[in-house]
Amino acid sequence: EAQVTQNPRYLITVTGKKLTVTCSQNMNHEYMSWYRQDPGLGLRQIYYSMNVEVTDKGDVPEGYKVSRKEKRNFPLILESPSPNQTSLYFCASSLFGGRPNQPQHFGDGTRLSIL
Amino acid sequence: RKEVEQDPGPFNVPEGATVAFNCTYSNSASQSFFWYRQDCRKEPKLLMSVYSSGNEDGRFTAQLNRASQYISLLIRDSKLSDSATYLCAVNYYFSGGYNKLIFGAGTRLAVHP
Repeated sequence: EAQVTQNPRYLITVTGKKLTVTCSQNMNHEYMSWYRQDPGLGLRQIYYSMNVEVTDKGDVPEGYKVSRKEKRNFPLILESPSPNQTSLYFCASSLFGGRPNQPQHFGDGTRLSIL
Repeated sequence: RKEVEQDPGPFNVPEGATVAFNCTYSNSASQSFFWYRQDCRKEPKLLMSVYSSGNEDGRFTAQLNRASQYISLLIRDSKLSDSATYLCAVNYYFSGGYNKLIFGAGTRLAVHP
């Protein structure tokens, strides 16, 4: 089954404790992206990757890191999480990036709470 | 002005009603448009693409108005199961040939018996 898989689905942690949210897709998509979703603000892009070893900042990259060593995986790293990073996070992928007519497919989401 | 704007709602309608949502966008060079459905903080799921001539999928009709820079979604014969948040997504073209998908904040629909 074609899918985008995120882990964990839920995480409660404390300020400053490094964490990684994994994202994996099995559709051989070149483009992958991370979003956070907050009430009233919609989906805001954190980072994206056009292909392996190619990543770039989205609209709200502060406090986050990513890597794209393999095509299928795009982990999101919070080196020193803070309470303002409490949010619902989605990973998404599409066949190509930078081209029109490319809908994105989303993972199930990760609900992150930083105390 | 936001790049993609939607009325947050909620739209409260009875079963069987017809309801329409609009989504406006600011970049006239946008080339592709989509409607997504999102249930109660779950992941957004692609509902339908929006084509220039308009398109229909069962009870759902999507329209594009390039002159006024908006897309619309019409739902006929609303079902309880249509209750969700509907996100529009607009592809933005940046100089250099790069395109980016930008999402609206969503319109909430509540269908009641």
